[in-house]
Amino acid sequence: DIQMTQSPSSLSASVGDRVTITCRASQDINTCLAWFQQKPGKAPKILIYAASLLYSGVPSRFSGSASGTDFTLTISSLQPEDYATYYCQQCSAYPLTFGGGTKVDIK
Amino acid sequence: QITLKESGPTLVKPTQSLTLTCTFSGFSFTSKRVGVGWIRQPPGKALEWLALIHWDDEKRYSPSLKDRLTITKDTSRNQVVLTMTNMDPVDTATYYCAQRYKEGTYGWYFDYWGQGTLVSVSS
Repeated sequence: DIQMTQSPSSLSASVGDRVTITCRASQDINTCLAWFQQKPGKAPKILIYAASLLYSGVPSRFSGSASGTDFTLTISSLQPEDYATYYCQQCSAYPLTFGGGTKVDIK
Repeated sequence: QITLKESGPTLVKPTQSLTLTCTFSGFSFTSKRVGVGWIRQPPGKALEWLALIHWDDEKRYSPSLKDRLTITKDTSRNQVVLTMTNMDPVDTATYYCAQRYKEGTYGWYFDYWGQGTLVSVSS
């Protein structure tokens, strides 16, 4: 199985901060990776697909990048509605696997 | 507008089987770019993929749960059914179904999710 290791598991940030979340794959997944945002009691929402492509309707302050087996989700200027838990997920091979999540809360 | 909704029991007893139905609208299995998957999330924990079925009836399962899972689709009713046998308290989780869509040459992604249904396993 491909392990997706997310870091940090949690972070505190202020409105306006630049936030970076990292996901490392245990083997090559090309760019077959998505990022999801999940708010308490709600279903996940896709933000980024193919590692760096912004899903339709997602604010441009969200961006994704890839370098080898390391993937990054960046929020350029954190907004109040961005406080949530973020997950990465690889789609390169079965079984599909998710990262452990990164909770972003208010500093 | 694409919507998915999970339905099924909220409480099952240990050793019983769980049957969940995902009823969707706004897309169809007649499209070669569509699949539906099941993902679960124990309270306070991360997401875990369980199974998926594609437009051509290709089925995939999580290896750790493969022996307990069955996924089927009813194209005419726009439904996908997941059955999980021998339920245990550790299977207590919110179960989501999600559309898996082929984004051109970029791969397949879960782009629409149901609201989820919390299933508790307890005697």
